[in-house]
Amino acid sequence: GQQLNQSPQSMFIQEGEDVSMNCTSSSIFNTWLWYKQEPGEGPVLLIALYKAGELTSNGRLTAQFGITRKDSFLNISASIPSDVGIYFCAGKGGSQGNLIFGKGTKLSVKP
Amino acid sequence: SQTIHQWPATLVQPVGSPLSLECTVEGTSNPNLYWYRQAAGRGLQLLFYSVGIGQISSEVPQNLSASRPQDRQFILSSKKLLLSDSGFYLCAWSASNRGTQYFGPGTRLLVL
Repeated sequence: GQQLNQSPQSMFIQEGEDVSMNCTSSSIFNTWLWYKQEPGEGPVLLIALYKAGELTSNGRLTAQFGITRKDSFLNISASIPSDVGIYFCAGKGGSQGNLIFGKGTKLSVKP
Repeated sequence: SQTIHQWPATLVQPVGSPLSLECTVEGTSNPNLYWYRQAAGRGLQLLFYSVGIGQISSEVPQNLSASRPQDRQFILSSKKLLLSDSGFYLCAWSASNRGTQYFGPGTRLLVL
Protein backbone atom coordinates (compact mmCIF):
# COMPACT_ATOMS: atom_id res chain seq x y z
CA GLY A 1 0.00 0.00 0.00
CA GLN A 2 0.91 3.64 -0.10
CA GLN A 3 3.46 4.82 2.42
CA LEU A 4 4.46 8.25 3.60
CA ASN A 5 7.81 8.93 5.23
CA GLN A 6 8.06 12.12 7.26
CA SER A 7 11.33 13.43 8.61
CA PRO A 8 12.76 14.35 10.94
CA GLN A 9 10.81 12.67 13.74
CA SER A 10 11.70 15.47 16.13
CA MET A 11 13.57 18.76 16.18
CA PHE A 12 14.98 20.84 19.02
CA ILE A 13 15.81 24.33 17.87
CA GLN A 14 16.58 27.76 19.23
CA GLU A 15 14.06 30.56 18.89
CA GLY A 16 14.72 32.51 15.71
CA GLU A 17 16.07 29.56 13.74
CA ASP A 18 14.51 28.35 10.51
CA VAL A 19 12.97 24.89 10.36
CA SER A 20 12.55 22.47 7.49
CA MET A 21 10.71 19.17 7.39
CA ASN A 22 9.66 16.96 4.53
CA CYS A 23 7.57 14.03 3.42
CA THR A 24 8.11 11.53 0.66
CA SER A 25 5.66 9.01 -0.68
CA SER A 26 5.98 5.71 -2.47
CA SER A 27 3.43 6.79 -5.07
CA ILE A 28 2.14 9.91 -6.79
CA PHE A 29 -0.14 12.23 -4.85
CA ASN A 30 -2.56 14.85 -6.17
CA THR A 31 -2.94 16.61 -2.85
CA TRP A 32 -0.44 17.47 -0.13
CA LEU A 33 -1.56 18.91 3.19
CA TRP A 34 0.30 20.15 6.23
CA TYR A 35 -1.26 20.21 9.71
CA LYS A 36 -0.11 21.37 13.14
CA GLN A 37 -1.31 19.73 16.32
CA GLU A 38 -0.88 21.21 19.77
CA PRO A 39 -1.20 19.05 22.91
CA GLY A 40 -4.75 17.98 23.63
CA GLU A 41 -6.18 19.51 20.47
CA GLY A 42 -7.14 18.37 17.01
CA PRO A 43 -4.80 18.97 14.05
CA VAL A 44 -5.25 22.33 12.36
CA LEU A 45 -4.76 22.72 8.63
CA LEU A 46 -1.82 25.01 7.83
CA ILE A 47 -1.36 24.74 4.08
CA ALA A 48 -3.07 22.80 1.28
CA LEU A 49 -1.33 22.08 -2.02
CA TYR A 50 -3.16 20.77 -5.07
CA LYS A 51 -0.77 21.24 -7.96
CA ALA A 52 2.72 19.89 -8.69
CA GLY A 53 5.33 22.61 -8.22
CA GLU A 54 2.95 24.78 -6.21
CA LEU A 55 4.65 26.92 -3.57
CA THR A 56 2.34 28.39 -0.94
CA SER A 57 3.00 30.59 2.06
CA ASN A 58 1.01 31.18 5.21
CA GLY A 59 2.76 33.83 7.26
CA ARG A 60 6.16 32.44 8.27
CA LEU A 61 5.26 29.02 6.84
CA THR A 62 6.04 27.95 3.30
CA ALA A 63 5.21 24.60 1.73
CA GLN A 64 5.86 23.16 -1.69
CA PHE A 65 4.30 20.36 -3.72
CA GLY A 66 7.26 18.54 -5.30
CA ILE A 67 7.37 18.39 -9.09
CA THR A 68 7.68 14.60 -8.98
CA ARG A 69 4.39 14.61 -6.99
CA LYS A 70 6.01 12.26 -4.52
CA ASP A 71 7.27 14.75 -1.98
CA SER A 72 6.52 17.94 -0.14
CA PHE A 73 8.35 20.14 2.32
CA LEU A 74 7.36 22.64 4.98
CA ASN A 75 9.60 25.47 6.08
CA ILE A 76 9.11 27.69 9.11
CA SER A 77 11.15 30.86 9.21
CA ALA A 78 12.29 32.66 12.35
CA SER A 79 10.71 30.18 14.75
CA ILE A 80 8.99 31.36 17.91
CA PRO A 81 7.96 29.44 21.06
CA SER A 82 4.35 29.11 19.90
CA ASP A 83 5.51 27.08 16.90
CA VAL A 84 5.89 24.15 19.30
CA GLY A 85 3.75 21.18 18.36
CA ILE A 86 3.59 18.18 16.09
CA TYR A 87 3.49 18.83 12.36
CA PHE A 88 1.85 16.25 10.12
CA CYS A 89 1.98 15.91 6.39
CA ALA A 90 -0.82 14.14 4.55
CA GLY A 91 -1.30 13.15 0.96
CA LYS A 92 -3.95 11.80 -1.34
CA GLY A 93 -3.68 10.23 -4.75
CA GLY A 94 -6.61 10.57 -7.11
CA SER A 95 -10.24 11.35 -6.40
CA GLN A 96 -10.76 8.05 -4.61
CA GLY A 97 -9.17 6.90 -1.43
CA ASN A 98 -8.48 8.62 1.83
CA LEU A 99 -5.69 10.77 3.15
CA ILE A 100 -2.47 9.09 4.17
CA PHE A 101 -0.72 10.74 7.11
CA GLY A 102 2.92 10.95 8.00
CA LYS A 103 3.93 10.05 11.54
CA GLY A 104 4.63 13.63 12.45
CA THR A 105 7.55 15.89 13.28
CA LYS A 106 7.65 17.03 16.89
CA LEU A 107 9.04 20.56 17.09
CA SER A 108 10.47 22.00 20.29
CA VAL A 109 11.61 25.64 20.40
CA LYS A 110 13.93 26.88 23.11
CA PRO A 111 13.41 30.56 23.99
CA SER B 1 -18.43 28.84 7.80
CA GLN B 2 -18.11 25.22 8.74
CA THR B 3 -17.53 24.01 12.27
CA ILE B 4 -17.07 20.56 13.72
CA HIS B 5 -17.93 19.58 17.27
CA GLN B 6 -17.03 16.58 19.36
CA TRP B 7 -18.24 15.53 22.77
CA PRO B 8 -17.46 14.74 25.35
CA ALA B 9 -14.04 16.38 25.51
CA THR B 10 -12.77 13.83 28.01
CA LEU B 11 -14.13 10.56 29.27
CA VAL B 12 -13.02 8.04 31.89
CA GLN B 13 -14.74 4.69 31.59
CA PRO B 14 -14.28 1.30 33.28
CA VAL B 15 -13.32 -1.75 31.26
CA GLY B 16 -16.39 -3.51 29.90
CA SER B 17 -18.59 -0.43 29.84
CA PRO B 18 -20.24 0.88 26.65
CA LEU B 19 -19.05 3.90 24.71
CA SER B 20 -20.69 6.55 22.60
CA LEU B 21 -18.74 9.48 21.15
CA GLU B 22 -20.51 12.03 19.01
CA CYS B 23 -19.35 14.26 16.21
CA THR B 24 -21.44 16.86 14.41
CA VAL B 25 -20.62 19.19 11.55
CA GLU B 26 -22.29 22.52 10.82
CA GLY B 27 -22.28 24.70 7.74
CA THR B 28 -21.97 22.02 5.07
CA SER B 29 -24.09 19.26 3.61
CA ASN B 30 -23.23 15.70 2.61
CA PRO B 31 -19.70 15.80 4.02
CA ASN B 32 -17.40 12.81 4.14
CA LEU B 33 -16.86 11.98 7.81
CA TYR B 34 -13.98 10.21 9.49
CA TRP B 35 -13.02 8.75 12.87
CA TYR B 36 -9.35 8.53 13.81
CA ARG B 37 -7.56 7.28 16.92
CA GLN B 38 -4.28 8.76 18.03
CA ALA B 39 -2.10 7.08 20.64
CA ALA B 40 0.54 8.89 22.67
CA GLY B 41 0.19 12.13 20.64
CA ARG B 42 1.64 10.61 17.49
CA GLY B 43 0.27 8.90 14.41
CA LEU B 44 -3.31 9.06 13.19
CA GLN B 45 -5.02 5.73 12.66
CA LEU B 46 -8.12 5.86 10.47
CA LEU B 47 -10.89 3.80 12.08
CA PHE B 48 -14.01 4.51 10.02
CA TYR B 49 -15.19 6.78 7.26
CA SER B 50 -18.57 7.57 5.80
CA VAL B 51 -19.60 9.08 2.48
CA GLY B 52 -23.29 9.32 3.34
CA ILE B 53 -26.07 8.47 5.78
CA GLY B 54 -25.93 4.84 6.79
CA GLN B 55 -22.73 4.24 4.77
CA ILE B 56 -19.82 3.17 6.95
CA SER B 57 -16.47 1.77 5.90
CA SER B 58 -14.21 0.18 8.48
CA GLU B 59 -10.47 0.43 8.09
CA VAL B 60 -9.39 -1.59 11.09
CA PRO B 61 -11.37 -4.50 12.56
CA GLN B 62 -11.68 -4.01 16.29
CA ASN B 63 -13.89 -3.50 19.27
CA LEU B 64 -15.47 -0.32 17.90
CA SER B 65 -18.29 0.50 15.51
CA ALA B 66 -19.55 3.65 13.84
CA SER B 67 -22.91 4.92 12.69
CA ARG B 68 -24.18 7.90 10.74
CA PRO B 69 -27.83 8.41 11.60
CA GLN B 70 -27.99 11.90 10.08
CA ASP B 71 -26.13 13.71 7.32
CA ARG B 72 -23.91 15.69 9.67
CA GLN B 73 -23.71 13.35 12.64
CA PHE B 74 -21.14 10.60 13.13
CA ILE B 75 -21.10 8.36 16.19
CA LEU B 76 -18.37 6.05 17.46
CA SER B 77 -19.53 3.25 19.74
CA SER B 78 -18.45 0.21 21.63
CA LYS B 79 -20.48 -2.36 23.54
CA LYS B 80 -17.62 -3.27 25.87
CA LEU B 81 -14.53 -1.15 26.22
CA LEU B 82 -11.05 -2.64 26.48
CA LEU B 83 -8.00 -1.11 28.11
CA SER B 84 -6.47 -0.83 24.65
CA ASP B 85 -9.31 1.47 23.54
CA SER B 86 -7.75 4.32 25.51
CA GLY B 87 -6.56 7.15 23.30
CA PHE B 88 -7.40 10.42 21.66
CA TYR B 89 -10.30 10.14 19.21
CA LEU B 90 -10.57 12.63 16.40
CA CYS B 91 -13.44 13.26 14.04
CA ALA B 92 -12.86 14.96 10.71
CA TRP B 93 -14.87 16.05 7.70
CA SER B 94 -14.10 16.76 4.07
CA ALA B 95 -16.09 18.08 1.16
CA SER B 96 -16.58 15.44 -1.56
CA ASN B 97 -13.34 14.13 -3.00
CA ARG B 98 -11.11 17.19 -2.70
CA GLY B 99 -9.39 15.41 0.14
CA THR B 100 -8.73 18.25 2.55
CA GLN B 101 -9.91 17.13 5.96
CA TYR B 102 -10.78 19.40 8.88
CA PHE B 103 -10.53 18.01 12.37
CA GLY B 104 -12.62 18.41 15.47
CA PRO B 105 -11.15 19.17 18.90
CA GLY B 106 -10.96 15.49 19.87
CA THR B 107 -12.12 13.32 22.76
CA ARG B 108 -9.64 11.92 25.22
CA LEU B 109 -10.76 8.49 26.40
CA LEU B 110 -9.20 6.72 29.35
CA VAL B 111 -10.31 3.17 30.04
CA LEU B 112 -9.45 1.91 33.52
